[in-house]
Amino acid sequence: GESVGLHLPTLSVQEGDNSIINCAYSNSASDYFIWYKQESGKGPQFIIDIRSNMDKRQGQRVTVLLNKTVKHLSLQIAATQPGDSAVYFCAERGAGSYQLTFGKGTKLSVIP
Amino acid sequence: EAGVVQSPRYKIIEKKQPVAFWCNPISGHNTLYWYLQNLGQGPELLIRYENEEAVDDSQLPKDRFSAERLKGVDSTLKIQPAELGDSAVYLCASSSGGERGYNEQFFGPGTRLTVL
Repeated sequence: GESVGLHLPTLSVQEGDNSIINCAYSNSASDYFIWYKQESGKGPQFIIDIRSNMDKRQGQRVTVLLNKTVKHLSLQIAATQPGDSAVYFCAERGAGSYQLTFGKGTKLSVIP
Repeated sequence: EAGVVQSPRYKIIEKKQPVAFWCNPISGHNTLYWYLQNLGQGPELLIRYENEEAVDDSQLPKDRFSAERLKGVDSTLKIQPAELGDSAVYLCASSSGGERGYNEQFFGPGTRLTVL
């Protein structure tokens, strides 16, 4: 299930199940979105990106969905593995800007 | 290919002391970023360099923070004097040129600063 922890929302899933991590973004003018994975003691690592002219993009085991109407972004991870345990951040970039604005992360815990 | 290198990985200092962080970006990456990350939060941009020029430092607290990238390669971020609220992880990232803005940022492991 999903719960709000002291610092981060947490999502716990059973190994092998699919995970869905959600993100609400704030700027309707944002045209580029990225999902990052951050493991403990490491910097964020790029997972997948999507431009605003798309509503879905697939990678290896991951899918990003973009709903511009409600300013919502989601990351789907298929067949979640223990190595997927990390904090996941969405980031948005305003049109014509280099600056990324990161959302509040979600901690994914995979139960073996 | 070596990733973004940062040092030190950890730093503990007393308040009012100076501190410096070093970053070496991925070879050939012209753009370098410094971010601050508080516990449980996403990274927040402090400054962005294009080669040796700071092109966006609007979020850098200039009263105590400074940065340099003299030769357009490695960079140093300094805090003087440090305050308790500066305790955080300082991340460096780099990216290559290319289609404006659609270039992946590669992050280093960060320096965790603790101010006592």
